[in-house]
Formats: sequence, C-alpha cells, structure tokens
Amino acid sequence: SQQGEEDPQALSIQEGENATMNCSYKTSINNLQWYRQNSGRGLVHLILIRSNEREKHSGRLRVTLDTSKKSSSLLITASRAADTASYFCATGASAAGNKLTFGGGTRVLVKP
Amino acid sequence: NAGVTQTPKFRVLKTGQSMTLLCAQDMNHEYMYWYRQDPGMGLRLIHYSVGEGTTAKGEVPDGYNVSRLKKQNFLLGLESAAPSQTSVYFCASSSRATGAGELFFGEGSRLTVL
Repeated sequence: SQQGEEDPQALSIQEGENATMNCSYKTSINNLQWYRQNSGRGLVHLILIRSNEREKHSGRLRVTLDTSKKSSSLLITASRAADTASYFCATGASAAGNKLTFGGGTRVLVKP
Repeated sequence: NAGVTQTPKFRVLKTGQSMTLLCAQDMNHEYMYWYRQDPGMGLRLIHYSVGEGTTAKGEVPDGYNVSRLKKQNFLLGLESAAPSQTSVYFCASSSRATGAGELFFGEGSRLTVL
C-alpha cells in the first residue's frame, strides 16, 4: 500500500508561476523525501526533510513538513519549462523497516 | 561516473519466458533495490539487499527472484513471465538505509510481456 499520497495528481501552470504540491501519509515517519522524474527517465533525489524539521530550502525548492497533520508540501518558485516532470514524495518509517515508500506522484506541466 | 546502470533498457517477452535484469552501481553502495512502476501506482518495492550476499522481500515479491553475488551488482529474475509483470523496472542504490539517505536510480528497464 502507498504511504504517501500526492495532491493534486496533475498541475498545469505558466512559466514564472509557483507550483505547489502536497503529500499526505498515514503512519509516523523518520524522514520524507521528494524526487523528480522526467519523462522516460529515472528518479532524481531533490530534498530530504527529517521528522524533527519543519522547513528546508534548496535553490528554488521549499519543502515543509507538518508531522501533526502527517503532510508535506513542495513549492517550486518561479517555475521553468525544464521543471516539467512528475514529482514523488517518499516516506521512510521504522514501521516499514526503514525502506522508502513512494506515493503516486504529481505530474507538473510548465507551459512556456 | 556511470552511477546506476540497468540492462537491458527494453525487452519484450512471451508469457512463460524467463529473463534477468542486471543492475550495476559504481558508487560502492551497500544497499540496492528493485522497484516496479505502473501508471498511477508510484513505485513499489519488489526486493532489496542490504549488502553482498543478502536479499529480502519487498512489497510485491511474487514472481521475481534476486541475487547479490557481488556488491556492485543486483540481478532481478523472472522465471515465468506473466502479462501482469509488464511494467517499468527501476534499480536504485544507497550508501545508507533509506530511512537515512537518498536513493540513486537507474534509467529504468521497460518490460512488455505478451
């Protein structure tokens, strides 16, 4: 079963706009990670946030984590056409033997 | 630096045929994983290994076998392919248990079973 569930499933925005996607999960976690997948390619790690952290930044990416609501969000600021991809959250939890469990992903289309 | 390399990239099988997918990593990682990706399902863990000579079942292990005879290689085998195994398969590796670190993925192997 999927631990993380992304919302929305698909997102279409104009270049320069911000893109926000959310991830909800069901059980306690040790960390939450976000990955990007370009069409036909493998997944690439973007950012990891630990359960005792609330916010992390990496370039144009901002990730928040609310463990009380069991949710995380990924914000991409000033989006570019090259940001067009699918984005996945993945949770690491002791209950899962510290293996990552992936959600179904959010497909983001950035129109030039 | 190749990272994680998967072969073959594409394969078409008939029901009942067998095949092996090879994953090789050059990062000296202890942990290696095989996932399958189906539309709308995200990635599901098939089998994984925490070191040379070890293997363990993941979420969807039925119909697959694996071996980790060398630290750098992780093989995924299908003994008798079924149409339900049509999918894109991804290998990944990590220097730490995934509860602590990131995964490095290969480019995927697209398998079609007719």
